[in-house]
Amino acid sequence: EAGVTQFPSHSVIEKGQTVTLRCDPISGHDNLYWYRRVMGKEIKFLLHFVKESKQDESGMPNNRFLAERTGGTYSTLKVQPAELEDSGVYFCASSRQGNQPQHFGDGTRLSIL
Amino acid sequence: AQTVTQSQPEMSVQEAETVTLSCTYDTSESDYYLFWYKQPPSRQMILVIRQEAYKQQNATENRFSVNFQKAAKSFSLKISDSQLGDAAMYFCAYRREASGSRLTFGEGTQLTVNP
Repeated sequence: EAGVTQFPSHSVIEKGQTVTLRCDPISGHDNLYWYRRVMGKEIKFLLHFVKESKQDESGMPNNRFLAERTGGTYSTLKVQPAELEDSGVYFCASSRQGNQPQHFGDGTRLSIL
Repeated sequence: AQTVTQSQPEMSVQEAETVTLSCTYDTSESDYYLFWYKQPPSRQMILVIRQEAYKQQNATENRFSVNFQKAAKSFSLKISDSQLGDAAMYFCAYRREASGSRLTFGEGTQLTVNP
């Protein structure tokens, strides 16, 4: 079974540009989560999808961040426009059911210059 | 709100020896889950061990075991017979019992294993 995959593994963009991160969950996993770790700090929750519906987006920092999961398969997280404080590692995780352990991807390292 | 604290930013251990990583948490709930995740350098974060709060018995997974003290809100990870492959960033995490709840993480502990 393929694990959670994230693209790209690393992205370097300039402040003000737009970046889109992608997450492919494990096949059959209805629950998809986004987290991020800003330099040296704890990993923080961003949002949670069940299939294509947003169950909890209370962790999204501001309206520059837009997450979608059309069709309930892969998800994208777009940052527009990117700011310096958005730099960090963005993790995606999935689980088949909400009460099962979450499986994480390798993360996307986002660097804003 | 729940919080998780890992007070040891870095730890080191000699190969084949034992090391304990500390984690404390704060919650007002009685039912929840606790986890230890491991992230090796440039690799995927994987689940090491999990503990259900209603279980008094400490979870074990081969060389990994936890010391769960519910009253003290402490959840330490013991790694026995440390191996070079155990070198990684270790994250302690909390999750409410409710299905689909988010994970709340600590800041992480970077473990170095010395040959």
